[in-house]
Amino acid sequence: EDQVTQSPEALRLQEGESSSLNCSYTVSGLRGLFWYRQDPGKGPEFLFTLYSAGEEKEKERLKATLTKKESFLHITAPKPEDSATYLCAVQGAGTYKYIFGTGTRLKVLA
Amino acid sequence: NAGVTQTPKFQVLKTGQSMTLQCAQDMNHNSMYWYRQDPGMGLRLIYYSASEGTTDKGEVPNGYNVSRLNKREFSLRLESAAPSQTSVYFCASTGGDFNQPQHFGDGTRLSIL
Repeated sequence: EDQVTQSPEALRLQEGESSSLNCSYTVSGLRGLFWYRQDPGKGPEFLFTLYSAGEEKEKERLKATLTKKESFLHITAPKPEDSATYLCAVQGAGTYKYIFGTGTRLKVLA
Repeated sequence: NAGVTQTPKFQVLKTGQSMTLQCAQDMNHNSMYWYRQDPGMGLRLIYYSASEGTTDKGEVPNGYNVSRLNKREFSLRLESAAPSQTSVYFCASTGGDFNQPQHFGDGTRLSIL
């Protein structure tokens, strides 16, 4: 059964304190792993897609990496505006479905 | 750029009432999805439509029905609302067949008393 587990559930950082969020997955034939950002009262907003182990993507202070079992979202020198819930999702082979993790709630303190 | 538009944004119902949640996308996407989001449980798939004219059950379809009205619109209907259906409902769409990111609306917050 396809499954996604995110850790930690919640994370509090001081401004400038770098850290990483984890997304562990089990899927039959990974087609893509997706990272989203969700602000309160809003829908998830797409950040990155990773397709194969070893791939990396960057955007401003965020960097996503992928291995065969997990993905990391590295946040370098975060700012308060990076506070949000970060969601990870996977799509397996031969399906239109996406499986989501329960997210990591990030709070960056000024 | 409108993207994915959901209506209404908020709704309060009484147990047993029915209602339809509307979703429209203007990106010419083939696939559309309905999710519910509950605290601690993440996004759970209710129904999806891989293309116009097709619909399939997701993880939690009981108590819901859907209609893919055309390529743009995908509605979710609660025939007899129950308190357990209190949730935030999100519609999403995807271009292409596989491995494309989803685009989400801003949700409908539904409370059932």
